[in-house]
Amino acid sequence: DTAVSQTPKYLVTQMGNDKSIKCEQNLGHDTMYWYKQDSKKFLKIMFSYNNKELIINETVPNRFSPKSPDKAHLNLHINSLELGDSAVYFCASSQDWGPAYEQYFGPGTRLTVT
Amino acid sequence: KQEVTQIPAALSVPEGENLVLNCSFTDSAIYNLQWFRQDPGKGLTSLLLIQSSQREQTSGRLNASLDKSSGRSTLYIAASQPGDSATYLCAVRRGGANSKLTFGKGITLSVRP
Repeated sequence: DTAVSQTPKYLVTQMGNDKSIKCEQNLGHDTMYWYKQDSKKFLKIMFSYNNKELIINETVPNRFSPKSPDKAHLNLHINSLELGDSAVYFCASSQDWGPAYEQYFGPGTRLTVT
Repeated sequence: KQEVTQIPAALSVPEGENLVLNCSFTDSAIYNLQWFRQDPGKGLTSLLLIQSSQREQTSGRLNASLDKSSGRSTLYIAASQPGDSATYLCAVRRGGANSKLTFGKGITLSVRP
């Protein structure tokens, strides 16, 4: 059974389009995250939700909007896609919020904006 | 601002060799340090997590050590196998409610048969 799953795995789209990436975890965790891994391979946190409430919102353009319909899902919607949005986006979850809780990552979604 | 460095960026070794992967961080006030493995298309898998009060953790052929005061961690892989080929990332986390994982760029390891 997949613990943290993401769809789609690959996403190719044109500039200006709006797209969504979905994430689901079946671990019963309360906290979920979105990370971005850019072309330089740095993995950086974008957002974090705990019990469906936004906890971390890094310096991310307003075009990115996370939505958590329930504790098991955290979706990422991106408006007006730009070339610089091309990256691999990882979803993760942890049992609860705080440094003591290990994070479990999904397989990633490779977004290519042309 | 915490910075995590992993050098070299890539490493190629023959099968069977024991090897050490290095990680350094600039702010020693960490809560824990984690080593991950990244396989293409499969996301990140947590290998070892070391709390700041610990000096090392072991899992099978893997041993991770932590020297917090000098800002260094090493991941030791014994008797490397081709299946160990992957990218290994080090990440640190401060204490506090809003702490975040800060990752290094990773070391891409290739183990030649």
